[in-house]
Amino acid sequence: SQTIHQWPATLVQPVGSPLSLECTVEGTSNPNLYWYRQAAGRGLQLLFYSVGIGQISSEVPQNLSASRPQDRQFILSSKKLLLSDSGFYLCAWGQGLYGYTFGSGTRLTVV
Amino acid sequence: QKEVEQDPGPLSVPEGAIVSLNCTYSNSAFQYFMWYRQYSRKGPELLMYTYSSGNKEDGRFTAQVDKSSKYISLFIRDSQPSDSATYLCAMRVGGSNYKLTFGKGTLLTVNP
Repeated sequence: SQTIHQWPATLVQPVGSPLSLECTVEGTSNPNLYWYRQAAGRGLQLLFYSVGIGQISSEVPQNLSASRPQDRQFILSSKKLLLSDSGFYLCAWGQGLYGYTFGSGTRLTVV
Repeated sequence: QKEVEQDPGPLSVPEGAIVSLNCTYSNSAFQYFMWYRQYSRKGPELLMYTYSSGNKEDGRFTAQVDKSSKYISLFIRDSQPSDSATYLCAMRVGGSNYKLTFGKGTLLTVNP
């Protein structure tokens, strides 16, 4: 069966520090991978998606970047965090007609 | 106009009540419709999905899609305290583009 792993679960980082969140998928090959951010009152915002190794599409201009160095690995990064980067970050994979499987999320607080 | 509108609630009901959750959308190209349930501090999990218009039932849950009105609903019968969560609607267009557009979610509390 397919599983998705996301870590860390919680992160507190100072403004200006770098960020690296990792997501890996097991039990499937060539998945479509997605990074979402969920902020209170704003719903799920698609940040990046990838249909293959090295293929990244950005949905919104921001302080973040994404990379896909391996087929089942998706990384979200920032060189310098802003306060506005705080939120709940979710990785997801989707290959079928219906919906995604989400990871357990990372709650990021920038202080 | 946002592509998907969903009343954020919060919605509070007594145990055993029938719950109705709704979303409206503006993009007539949406063909696949989903409902996700998200418990506090967890990732969303797929609850129900439907294609085009019609109804789909799964246990206590019924999903309805009315494409002519651009309106989708999720009904929960005999609601339980364990149903307390945020419910998000999601939808996408056809073809190989699997990007989903989500509603903001409705927070539901079922009181024992």
